[in-house]
Amino acid sequence: DAKTTQPNSMESNEEEPVHLPCNHSTISGTDYIHWYRQLPSQGPEYVIHGLTSNVNNRMASLAIAEDRKSSTLILHRATLRDAAVYYCILKGRGGGSNYKLTFGKGTLLTVNP
Amino acid sequence: GAVVSQHPSWVICKSGTSVKIECRSLDFQATTMFWYRQFPKQSLMLMATSNEGSKATYEQGVEKDKFLINHASLTLSTLTVTSAHPEDSSFYICSAHPTGTPYNEQFFGPGTRLTVL
Repeated sequence: DAKTTQPNSMESNEEEPVHLPCNHSTISGTDYIHWYRQLPSQGPEYVIHGLTSNVNNRMASLAIAEDRKSSTLILHRATLRDAAVYYCILKGRGGGSNYKLTFGKGTLLTVNP
Repeated sequence: GAVVSQHPSWVICKSGTSVKIECRSLDFQATTMFWYRQFPKQSLMLMATSNEGSKATYEQGVEKDKFLINHASLTLSTLTVTSAHPEDSSFYICSAHPTGTPYNEQFFGPGTRLTVL
């Protein structure tokens, strides 16, 4: 599986934007970029995914570099409930076992009140 | 969004006993489900891919005879930890992908915390 690199931790203040970076220099042309987050003692939660174009949803925005070797997850206004470990994962196309996700260490986001 | 449940949410057992964990997709069907294990302060580690009506596919280093997986229906997969030992104490999480939908994301259960005494 293609690898991703994320900072171990980041800190933010409540109601400020947060930009979480992810490097994936070995991404293949068919890999999607997925973001999940995990709150303490819970299962992971889907955040957003994209292929080439920037994506927005109710939770976050995903900015993908033109060469696709990096991406940034943007939380527009951090809240205390956004404190979690954020995982950037590359996932190939196809069904069955291709749906499996390989989790790296992720970024622990701390949100200060 | 789609919901995945796990039962029990936590379990404490004695060393040498077997423990069964259920994973259910509540409002969708899932041909494929996944089982992960997570130790404290660590990331999720994929254990196996559970396929409805066929044998599970285990990741390298995961003992198939110790971690028995059964995926008997399109909404239920079970993980049985046989002859559990303290080193099997962990947070076990399942996930599922809705079959035949354009969804690209997986839906995760809330996890089951296993403590083996």
